[in-house]
Amino acid sequence: NAGVTQTPKFQVLKTGQSMTLQCAQDMNHNSMYWYRQDPGMGLRLIYYSASEGTTDKGEVPNGYNVSRLNKREFSLRLESAAPSQTSVYFCASSATGGSGTDTQYFGPGTRLTVL
Amino acid sequence: GESVGLHLPTLSVQEGDNSIINCAYSNSASDYFIWYKQESGKGPQFIIDIRSNMDKRQGQRVTVLLNKTVKHLSLQIAATQPGDSAVYFCAESNTGRRALTFGSGTRLQVQP
Repeated sequence: NAGVTQTPKFQVLKTGQSMTLQCAQDMNHNSMYWYRQDPGMGLRLIYYSASEGTTDKGEVPNGYNVSRLNKREFSLRLESAAPSQTSVYFCASSATGGSGTDTQYFGPGTRLTVL
Repeated sequence: GESVGLHLPTLSVQEGDNSIINCAYSNSASDYFIWYKQESGKGPQFIIDIRSNMDKRQGQRVTVLLNKTVKHLSLQIAATQPGDSAVYFCAESNTGRRALTFGSGTRLQVQP
């Protein structure tokens, strides 16, 4: 039981390049989330998916798109990367359908640098 | 707007002492609170949570206290160990919202 896994662990992009961050969970959770964490700050929600087939914007969605591929997988795509998107990206999951009062479990993160 | 903040950015304690990490929140509708521990280079790890119908909850070596009157949350760690060194985040939400709002974190340094 690996919990929440993320790939890649590190990535360097040039401005304007695109990439997809992958996330998978093996806990049979309904809800999945993408956060970003900037230096010295807490996590900010980018997008979430309360259940398979649904996605919703969070606090900082601009410049990102997401896909809930199936119940296990939730990907985050940067279509045209910008230096402001340099950050650490965390994926999380929780058991029930998108309630904020559900314990969220986090992956190890992807460290992204945009030059 | 809504915010969750911390009083002290860095807390240094001696090994074996008790640690107290504080957190203030501003949204009076918040009814769920959670503490995470984040070690360097890792994702946040769940420590303990509490709902607004409680004012205290205990786990293994940790206790969370909730004071809804002054919108204050604290995490107490008993007999602090070097392995407790990390950044600690509080977060809050309520049943009408989808996700958590995080504070900016407190770094706990345990001196041997």
